[in-house]
Amino acid sequence: TQLLEQSPQFLSIQEGENLTVYCNSSSVFSSLQWYRQEPGEGPVLLVTVVTGGEVKKLKRLTFQFGDARKDSSLHITAAQPGDTGLYLCAGRPYNAGNMLTFGGGTRLMVKP
Amino acid sequence: KAGVTQTPRYLIKTRGQQVTLSCSPISGHRSVSWYQQTPGQGLQFLFEYFSETQRNKGNFPGRFSGRQFSNSRSEMNVSTLELGDSALYLCASSPLAAGANVLTFGAGSRLTVL
Repeated sequence: TQLLEQSPQFLSIQEGENLTVYCNSSSVFSSLQWYRQEPGEGPVLLVTVVTGGEVKKLKRLTFQFGDARKDSSLHITAAQPGDTGLYLCAGRPYNAGNMLTFGGGTRLMVKP
Repeated sequence: KAGVTQTPRYLIKTRGQQVTLSCSPISGHRSVSWYQQTPGQGLQFLFEYFSETQRNKGNFPGRFSGRQFSNSRSEMNVSTLELGDSALYLCASSPLAAGANVLTFGAGSRLTVL
């Protein structure tokens, strides 16, 4: 069974601060996705990283896939209250269709 | 374009009962995956269907089953409910069954077992 360890579990910061969320595994994934989930809703895809070492930017969010395709990070610059939510990483094993392995999630609260 | 629709949104059952949850994927999507989300275990994969065939199955007991119809709509069934089955059940649809796919999740069906 492939596991994804996500840290930190909880993060409470002030508006304007930077933060980084980490996702680590001992297993190799064909791709890794990051989702954000709001209360009462399903997860919404933010980004998919496919190539080892890949870096993708989405406005103030920067996503990185590790060279060995075992880990990933999400960095948010100048966090805003609208960034509040549950952030989930999900790894796609090879030859596993849409059977994603999810990290435990990081619950982020950004206070004004 | 309509998103993924899950029904019912909320339901309460008692131990020993069974439950059926429904998922209507985005039009044109042929793959439907089901996940269970709990505070303790997070999101765990239940099963995936593509063109009416189960493609993958997670590590859940046989009480959890599912099926997909020719119009790609999917149902999952949980029999002999246990307290630990209380969870948010999420359905996700995608056009394909493999690759760096975009999964679109529904809002979920929140099941409470008393």
